[in-house]
Amino acid sequence: DGGITQSPKYLFRKEGQNVTLSCEQNLNHDAMYWYRQDPGQGLRLIYYSQIVNDFQKGDIAEGYSVSREKKESFPLTVTSAQKNPTAFYLCASSNRRGGLGSPLHFGNGTRLTVT
Amino acid sequence: AQTVTQSQPEMSVQEAETVTLSCTYDTSESDYYLFWYKQPPSRQMILVIRQEAYKQQNATENRFSVNFQKAAKSFSLKISDSQLGDAAMYFCGNAGNMLTFGGGTRLMVKP
Repeated sequence: DGGITQSPKYLFRKEGQNVTLSCEQNLNHDAMYWYRQDPGQGLRLIYYSQIVNDFQKGDIAEGYSVSREKKESFPLTVTSAQKNPTAFYLCASSNRRGGLGSPLHFGNGTRLTVT
Repeated sequence: AQTVTQSQPEMSVQEAETVTLSCTYDTSESDYYLFWYKQPPSRQMILVIRQEAYKQQNATENRFSVNFQKAAKSFSLKISDSQLGDAAMYFCGNAGNMLTFGGGTRLMVKP
């Protein structure tokens, strides 16, 4: 079955360490997205990519980096420069060829805790 | 820039009753879509309904319907015959060049 896989489900890191969150999709979608969700809050866009080897900053890109070397993969690195990295991270993809109305398909998320 | 505002942090409804969740948005784009997503305790995001901005007819999906007021930039979600499984966080979203979400409304369903 097609879908989006985020791993791991829970991730723990010490302050000052970089950490990379994995996101893989086999839906053949062109566009991929990373969102951050804090407790009781909505989703805020970190980065998005509409095509391989290209990506754009979202609303809260500072302290994060991404790469899009393959269509299927869009890893997110949380760097030590991110001041409050503890959060729930959601990856999503969409078929942009379907136009703006193409719904997002979401992964199950990664809960990152930095102490 | 796109913004989406959900003014109700929490709502509750009696089972089998009807509830309406509010959403307002702002966008400079002429072509866009609006969405409602549901996030149950499992935290999996589930698409509930979507609306094309150029269509005047309100979208409907079974017990879920929207009231889309384009001039007022309002996009409310009505849930009829509420069920216990409807309890979740609901997020309104505006898709122009990218999908922007509101802060969410937590819906509680009382048996």
